Amino acid sequence: DGGITQSPKYLFRKEGQNVTLSCEQNLNHDAMYWYRQDPGQGLRLIYYSQIVNDFQKGDIAEGYSVSREKKESFPLTVTSAQKNPTAFYLCASSIPGNQPQHFGDGTRLSIL
Amino acid sequence: EDQVTQSPEALRLQEGESSSLNCSYTVSGLRGLFWYRQDPGKGPEFLFTLYSAGEEKEKERLKATLTKKESFLHITAPKPEDSATYLCAVLEGKLIFGQGTTLQVKP
Repeated sequence: DGGITQSPKYLFRKEGQNVTLSCEQNLNHDAMYWYRQDPGQGLRLIYYSQIVNDFQKGDIAEGYSVSREKKESFPLTVTSAQKNPTAFYLCASSIPGNQPQHFGDGTRLSIL
Repeated sequence: EDQVTQSPEALRLQEGESSSLNCSYTVSGLRGLFWYRQDPGKGPEFLFTLYSAGEEKEKERLKATLTKKESFLHITAPKPEDSATYLCAVLEGKLIFGQGTTLQVKP
């Protein structure tokens, strides 16, 4: 079945550590996105990529980094510069145009 | 500033008790409005896309409608399995999400 796979489901970060969240899709979608979800808030856009080897900052990119070396993969690194990383992270993908985004099942990141 | 506001924040219904969820938006150039369902610990699941005022979409007990400034998600005779958080998102350049309405349907 086609879909978006995020791993791991749960992740713990130590002080000063960078961690990487994986996102893989087999939907053949060109565009991929990373969102952060906090209780009581709507999803907020961290980074997005419309094509391989290109990506743009979203609304809350500080403390995060991404790469897009393959169409299927869009990993997100939460760096030590992100001082409040505890959240539910969601990856999505879509085809170009005014089309819906489809989401993975998220990674919950917590601080040790 | 572009905004998407959902109401109510939480809704409790008895099984079979129909109701509506509201999504109001203030964006200058709407390119689409999307409804999603999100279960606890899961990613949002796509339900509907609406592109123009007057448009309606239906799926089982759910019906989504769109006007120039708001959208409604009507739930007819809900069942306990309809319990979830329903998210509205507006596309205007980027996707702008509302905070969601958490629906609980009691048997």
